[in-house]
Amino acid sequence: DAKTTQPTSMDCAEGRAANLPCNHSTISGNEYVYWYRQIHSQGPQYIIHGLKNNETNEMASLIITEDRKSSTLILPHATLRDTAVYYCIVRPGSSNTGKLIFGQGTTLQVKP
Amino acid sequence: EPEVTQTPSHQVTQMGQEVILRCVPISNHLYFYWYRQILGQKVEFLVSFYNNEISEKSEIFDDQFSVERPDGSNFTLKIRSTKLEDSAMYFCASSPPPGQTQYFGPGTRLTVL
Repeated sequence: DAKTTQPTSMDCAEGRAANLPCNHSTISGNEYVYWYRQIHSQGPQYIIHGLKNNETNEMASLIITEDRKSSTLILPHATLRDTAVYYCIVRPGSSNTGKLIFGQGTTLQVKP
Repeated sequence: EPEVTQTPSHQVTQMGQEVILRCVPISNHLYFYWYRQILGQKVEFLVSFYNNEISEKSEIFDDQFSVERPDGSNFTLKIRSTKLEDSAMYFCASSPPPGQTQYFGPGTRLTVL
């Protein structure tokens, strides 16, 4: 089962930052935090991942707390196209199989 | 930018028929996966595949399912005798080593009548 806890849903105003929280209190030292999103029934789209340092790419920023028990995905200027289900997933950095275990995620609704 | 592709986008079949779902992973990736998502439910892992072998499979992946890499580019999922409950979106994914980022295809919607 998923080892993360996320709010079921969130709203965000268009143009504002969307901050999506995730709790992963049982994370192990070799586990990364990955974020994916799914728009309608399309394939999950990779957003960002990190181990312990904060990360930023062209899509988002990932803030991981010092104890690594929680993280926040930040979409700096949300647009209507960012409306999607966002999944926070923890997984080992090295794995024999690499399977991803999806939870229910957070449904983010970006409103005009 | 390289991407995973899947065909067909939508497959309709009669219960009991065999279906083959096709995927073309990203060209330099070595690990391949199938996931499925029943309407309104979570994305579920089915199987992972490396070096022409199944690395791991879930309890969903029973004897009715099989995977194959018939050539250097395609990766297929076969369902031998489809059931109504096999109706779902099926997603293919690929990654370099398994601990690295997986990239997903757009999915095939399978409808079993």
